[in-house]
Amino acid sequence: AQSVTQLDSHVSVSEGTPVLLRCNYSSSYSPSLFWYVQHPNKGLQLLLKYTSAATLVKGINGFEAEFKKSETSFHLTKPSAHMSDAAEYFCVVITSSNTGKLIFGQGTTLQVKP
Amino acid sequence: KAGVTQTPRYLIKTRGQQVTLSCSPISGHRSVSWYQQTPGQGLQFLFEYFSETQRNKGNFPGRFSGRQFSNSRSEMNVSTLELGDSALYLCASSYSGTSGVTDTQYFGPGTRLTVL
Repeated sequence: AQSVTQLDSHVSVSEGTPVLLRCNYSSSYSPSLFWYVQHPNKGLQLLLKYTSAATLVKGINGFEAEFKKSETSFHLTKPSAHMSDAAEYFCVVITSSNTGKLIFGQGTTLQVKP
Repeated sequence: KAGVTQTPRYLIKTRGQQVTLSCSPISGHRSVSWYQQTPGQGLQFLFEYFSETQRNKGNFPGRFSGRQFSNSRSEMNVSTLELGDSALYLCASSYSGTSGVTDTQYFGPGTRLTVL
């Protein structure tokens, strides 16, 4: 069965410092992995996706993620946090055996302090 | 292109009533998925439709149902509402092409359902 584990439920950083949000996955198949962001009272916005073309994936707003098969990880990073990055972030997996069904991690709330 | 739209944005119902939520996908997208988001359970998959057919269903009771129309618009219905059905209901659409394999899903703003 496919699953996603976000290792931190809450991360707090200061503005201008790096961001690291950790995600491990479990999948029997070669997975497609995504990071989505949700601002308060909003829907989910796609940050980036991995579909085996390249292990380092660049997304919007300066975010990037690296797929590491040996570690079954897909951590999200950003070199310098901005106040507007404060939101909830979801690591998501979809596999070829479950078209149309996304499996979400529990979410990580990112707090950015001035 | 316009994004995924959901109506209504907010709903208040009482226990025992039924509710219908609507989702209009991005133009050209043929797959529509529905998710329930609650503080306790997080985001959970309800069902997915492609070309008017339900292809996949999550672990929800039969009170939750849906359908998709020929223009790819989708509705979900919840009958005999319970307090625990209070949640944000999110719809997502995906291109899927002619093979039906789901690509990236794009989400609407959601419908906030409150059951009193």
